[in-house]
Amino acid sequence: DQQVKQNSPSLSVQEGRISILNCDYTNSMFDYFLWYKKYPAEGPTFLISISSIKDKNEDGRFTVFLNKSAKHLSLHIVPSQPGDSAVYFCAAKISNFGNEKLTFGTGTRLTIIP
Amino acid sequence: DVKVTQSSRYLVKRTGEKVFLECVQDMDHENMFWYRQDPGLGLRLIYFSYDVKMKEKGDIPEGYSVSREKKERFSLILESASTNQTSMYLCASSFTYPGQGSNIQYFGAGTRLSVL
Repeated sequence: DQQVKQNSPSLSVQEGRISILNCDYTNSMFDYFLWYKKYPAEGPTFLISISSIKDKNEDGRFTVFLNKSAKHLSLHIVPSQPGDSAVYFCAAKISNFGNEKLTFGTGTRLTIIP
Repeated sequence: DVKVTQSSRYLVKRTGEKVFLECVQDMDHENMFWYRQDPGLGLRLIYFSYDVKMKEKGDIPEGYSVSREKKERFSLILESASTNQTSMYLCASSFTYPGQGSNIQYFGAGTRLSVL
């Protein structure tokens, strides 16, 4: 049972345009969400996160939006750059003290076209 | 800089062999994790540990065991490797966050294991 879903396995975007990556979840207990980025032959690295008490969090070119009623979050990258080409994973967490377990989605491969 | 080091980048093993994957972190993190990454399936949690000698099953623990004898080291053991355990294995570590939210999980570069 996939509790965190990324329905687009791949996405191609022109350099300079906006990239929008989507993620849906089914477990209403999730209250903290993260995005990780992964290059080939490297481990995932943290990108940005959002708490369920917010609906938007911004960090430079990256913005994450959370729609709790729809159980949906999205990552916006603007403007997209060639170095953004990577696999992006969303992850979700239930914030009990001592629980650091993350549930990851299946990933979306983003390709930025120069 | 946080460093999570996995002992091997590539491993080739035979069916039935006992396989050890080692992970070491240098940031005194309480929590350590083992994931496998497969195409179309994302990252799936195998086992995790929140303290020395403590372990918890993740989502896919079957066929695996773990060992955490020291805080900085977390080992994944395949008792009898099978071809369906061919995968990319990723280790991660993190502090425990005191409230709502999450400390970042830091990942190693991964071990690509092929079981023939």
